[in-house]
Amino acid sequence: GESVGLHLPTLSVQEGDNSIINCAYSNSASDYFIWYKQESGKGPQFIIDIRSNMDKRQGQRVTVLLNKTVKHLSLQIAATQPGDSAVYFCAERGRDDKIIFGKGTRLHILP
Amino acid sequence: DSGVTQTPKHLITATGQRVTLRCSPRSGDLSVYWYQQSLDQGLQFLIQYYNGEERAKGNILERFSAQQFPDLHSELNLSSLELGDSALYFCASSVEVGTEAFFGQGTRLTVV
Repeated sequence: GESVGLHLPTLSVQEGDNSIINCAYSNSASDYFIWYKQESGKGPQFIIDIRSNMDKRQGQRVTVLLNKTVKHLSLQIAATQPGDSAVYFCAERGRDDKIIFGKGTRLHILP
Repeated sequence: DSGVTQTPKHLITATGQRVTLRCSPRSGDLSVYWYQQSLDQGLQFLIQYYNGEERAKGNILERFSAQQFPDLHSELNLSSLELGDSALYFCASSVEVGTEAFFGQGTRLTVV
């Protein structure tokens, strides 16, 4: 079936450290993955995406890693800042073009 | 600002009523998605349209319906509302199916 889940519901990270948010997916036919950030009271904001023919993609302070063998996705945020506090969702697109979201990980930044 | 506009921002209505949520996609985007987000939950995919045609359907209740109009705006109709329908409803749009989707700020529906 289709499911995208996150290993940890809450992640606390010291300001300035790197954050790693993990995600497992179950649909081996998924060919496109997206990370979103949702701040309180706002809609999800696109962070970075990756297609299944890649295993790594870098953006500004963010890196997404895709391991198709174990169906695992991760988002790395470098030098975490207070403004990174949010809920992070991974999402996958299956062959039927539905984009399915996981439950989210709340990232909490410690001063 | 993502460029996706949703109205209204807030809606309070009674059980049994019907409401219509409206979404204007980003200029040039052909695909529109609707999601429901309950308190502290993830985003549940409801339905997707591409250039006026239904493209994919998720866990959308029979009491809910949607459509995308020729000008590409979309409406989500919720009828026979129940307390459990209280949630944030998000619309997103993308240029093509499968490209990154940009979300609106959502409509917060409260059913009392």
